[in-house]
Amino acid sequence: GENVEQHPSTLSVQEGDSAVIKCTYSDSASNYFPWYKQELGKGPQLIIDIRSNVGEKKDQRIAVTLNKTAKHFSLHITETQPEDSAVYFCAASIRGTYKYIFGTGTRLKVLA
Amino acid sequence: EAGVAQSPRYKIIEKRQSVAFWCNPISGHATLYWYQQILGQGPKLLIQFQNNGVVDDSQLPKDRFSAERLKGVDSTLKIQPAKLEDSAVYLCASSLESGHRYFGPGTRLTVT
Repeated sequence: GENVEQHPSTLSVQEGDSAVIKCTYSDSASNYFPWYKQELGKGPQLIIDIRSNVGEKKDQRIAVTLNKTAKHFSLHITETQPEDSAVYFCAASIRGTYKYIFGTGTRLKVLA
Repeated sequence: EAGVAQSPRYKIIEKRQSVAFWCNPISGHATLYWYQQILGQGPKLLIQFQNNGVVDDSQLPKDRFSAERLKGVDSTLKIQPAKLEDSAVYLCASSLESGHRYFGPGTRLTVT
């Protein structure tokens, strides 16, 4: 079945450094890839997304890149701040639908 | 704009008991989702409603789980009887048609 692998499971960076989280998907028909941030005690919140017709998208300190050939996509956070500390989930649409498969999450800790 | 509301926020029950969760989506959102998030994993879709009709319940354990969305607005998710492995956070989300999911804060269920 469809699968999304996410790495690393935990990531610690110094404040101001960059953080990169990588995901690999199995369904070549996936065409939509959102990223969610989940803070403690809260539901996931969409932070950025990308569609399969685009290779890169940027929003201030956050960027996402997509390599359709290799079937992987990555989240890049630059100039990290303590408030970036959270669990980040990637997701991929299933067979060109709006249904998502989520990755297992990455716990990011930004050390002040 | 008010977000997705869920109650209760926490629930502790013994195995074989029943429990119900309530969700009020963002006003005007036709699509409502229930996800199960087991500790350390990404959210897994249990059921998706479009207005008051079920679009997808393929991952809902129908022998013990049930959900309804009367009048196409609020929704309830019920588990009867609960098992230990049902311990998880139950997230409700809503969207305009099948677009961006807006998640509620979730209900943390502990089955002892």
